[in-house]
Amino acid sequence: DIQMTQSPSSLSASVGDRVTITCRASQSVSNFLNWYQQRPGKAPKLLIYAASSLQSGVPSRFSGSGSGTDFTLSISSLQPEDFATYYCQQSYSGPYTFGQGTKLEI
Amino acid sequence: EVQLVESGGGLVQPGGSLRLSCAASGFTFSSYWMSWVRQAPGKGLEWVANIKQDGSEKYYVDSVKGRFTISRDNAKNSLFLQMNSLRAEDTAVYYCARRSRIPKCSGDGCYSYYYYMDVWGKGTTVTVSS
Repeated sequence: DIQMTQSPSSLSASVGDRVTITCRASQSVSNFLNWYQQRPGKAPKLLIYAASSLQSGVPSRFSGSGSGTDFTLSISSLQPEDFATYYCQQSYSGPYTFGQGTKLEI
Repeated sequence: EVQLVESGGGLVQPGGSLRLSCAASGFTFSSYWMSWVRQAPGKGLEWVANIKQDGSEKYYVDSVKGRFTISRDNAKNSLFLQMNSLRAEDTAVYYCARRSRIPKCSGDGCYSYYYYMDVWGKGTTVTVSS
């Protein structure tokens, strides 16, 4: 199975900050990489697919990049509703594994 | 409105069984692969199982193979997860999710797909404990 490792595991930031979360795959996944946001007590929400494509309805302050084994999720100008846990997921080969999550805190 | 609503969770003893259901609405259910994803208390997300549109292909994470069975009823827009021989480590919130895809194309054509879970239910809680 492909292992996905996110860093950092937690991150403190303030409203208005720009933050970057990293996801590394144990082998190349090309650009078959998705990002999800999960607010406390809520279901995950798709933010980005194919490493850099923004899901419909997701604010443009979210962006993704990367290919191969290294990927990043960036959030420009943090808003209060962005404080949540973020997960990467590879869809290159089954099982479609998730990273362990990055908790973004105030 | 596109919606998925899970039900069937509860408290069950180790070794017991439970059947989860997921009711879909607002989209053509029979056109999509569907998935179950779970989240143990305080832990991350774990994909559990997938099923093809017509139910002819099913895939499972190793830890549930032989114990869990995913199925669907397209006439009733419903997805199911039959869970047998439950263990404490199966305790989790179980989410139903729609799996969508778009073609991955290059200059010489389109030969694969990007897959992602774009619609999620709110989840149903399964607790395995004596």
